[in-house]
Amino acid sequence: GAVVSQHPSRVICKSGTSVKIECRSLDFQATTMFWYRQFPKQSLMLMATSNEGSKATYEQGVEKDKFLINHASLTLSTLTVTSAHPEDSSFYICSARLGTRENTGELFFGEGSRLTVL
Amino acid sequence: GQNIDQPTEMTATEGAIVQINCTYQTSGFNGLFWYQQHAGEAPTFLSYNVLDGLEEKGRFSSFLSRSKGYSYLLLKELQMKDSASYLCAVLDSNYQLIWGAGTKLIIKP
Repeated sequence: GAVVSQHPSRVICKSGTSVKIECRSLDFQATTMFWYRQFPKQSLMLMATSNEGSKATYEQGVEKDKFLINHASLTLSTLTVTSAHPEDSSFYICSARLGTRENTGELFFGEGSRLTVL
Repeated sequence: GQNIDQPTEMTATEGAIVQINCTYQTSGFNGLFWYQQHAGEAPTFLSYNVLDGLEEKGRFSSFLSRSKGYSYLLLKELQMKDSASYLCAVLDSNYQLIWGAGTKLIIKP
């Protein structure tokens, strides 16, 4: 199957700093990527939809100035958590859809990035 | 509103069969997915149903009834490695994935 790589897998940072997480589709071009966060024992929560060459679409309640998303190429999307605070500590996961939305729309997930803000 | 319901937790015995149910109420329907997620890891794709009926894939099968807004994931010959959370997700009319909260499956020897 298609491979999505996410980096870093774990990051610990001090409060007030910014952290960038990368999501790459390794063997296919992804015009659309998705960013999720997941708190312990809870399901995935969609944060935003990242479209190559255009602005990301954020879900209600997600601060676009705090969670900066850039989809500069067909194989790379980045999520930057700006001025991170302890409450931003979470598991962040990206996914990419193989093919167009009109087909199965199967999502391939990155390995996830566990962010801990001290 | 859109809603996906699945049991929070289930327990089953190694070698047995378990059925995880999922009911949904969404604005439109373009398919239902089942994903497996081990603790601390990202979800992995298990199945996709868009037509009514049963799809079998090895030890795992998935069933869909669109008229009832109902699906189940059937796991046979359970193995310890099947201990994980199983996420049900529906693709709505806008091709947005609506996620259930997941069912934690505990396998006992």
